[in-house]
Amino acid sequence: DQQVKQNSPSLSVQEGRISILNCDYTNSMFDYFLWYKKYPAEGPTFLISISSIKDKNEDGRFTVFLNKSAKHLSLHIVPSQPGDSAVYFCAAREYGNKLVFGAGTILRVKS
Amino acid sequence: GAGVSQSPSNKVTEKGKDVELRCDPISGHTALYWYRQSLGQGLEFLIYFQGNSAPDKSGLPSDRFSAERTGGSVSTLTIQRTQQEDSAVYLCASSLAVWDEQFFGPGTRLTVL
Repeated sequence: DQQVKQNSPSLSVQEGRISILNCDYTNSMFDYFLWYKKYPAEGPTFLISISSIKDKNEDGRFTVFLNKSAKHLSLHIVPSQPGDSAVYFCAAREYGNKLVFGAGTILRVKS
Repeated sequence: GAGVSQSPSNKVTEKGKDVELRCDPISGHTALYWYRQSLGQGLEFLIYFQGNSAPDKSGLPSDRFSAERTGGSVSTLTIQRTQQEDSAVYLCASSLAVWDEQFFGPGTRLTVL
């Protein structure tokens, strides 16, 4: 039973346009959400996070939106750059800082 | 700077053999986590160490899996009598304290033939 779902396995976007990556979760006890970025042969690296008491967090080109009633979050990248091409994982935090991850979305930014 | 390191980077083994995977966390980090990523799946939590507390083993899939953390630093994940379904990338992460950002190592790709 997947508690965190990323329903789009891949996304292709033109350079300069907006990339929107989506994530849904089922456990209302999750209190913190994170996005990680992963390049091939490397471990995931932290990108941006949001607490469940907020609905938006912005860091440069990256913005995460949280809709608690819909149990949905999204990551917006504006403008997208070719270096953003990677696998993006959505994660939610359980007690003890255990992270529950989605299956990931492969983002390809075309130049 | 020194990040989380894992060894070996790749391991191929035969079904039924035991394997040991090593993780060197970032110096000073008190929390250490093991995850695995099977093909097409997200990262799956396995086990979590925090300081001197008893580890949280709730994610270990069977009693063939065990892990230890010696001296509050290096950790070893051991899989006994490996099965083909154990094939995955095993990732280690560490954080300064329990609620801090987790930094991941590059992973060990385990292939069980």
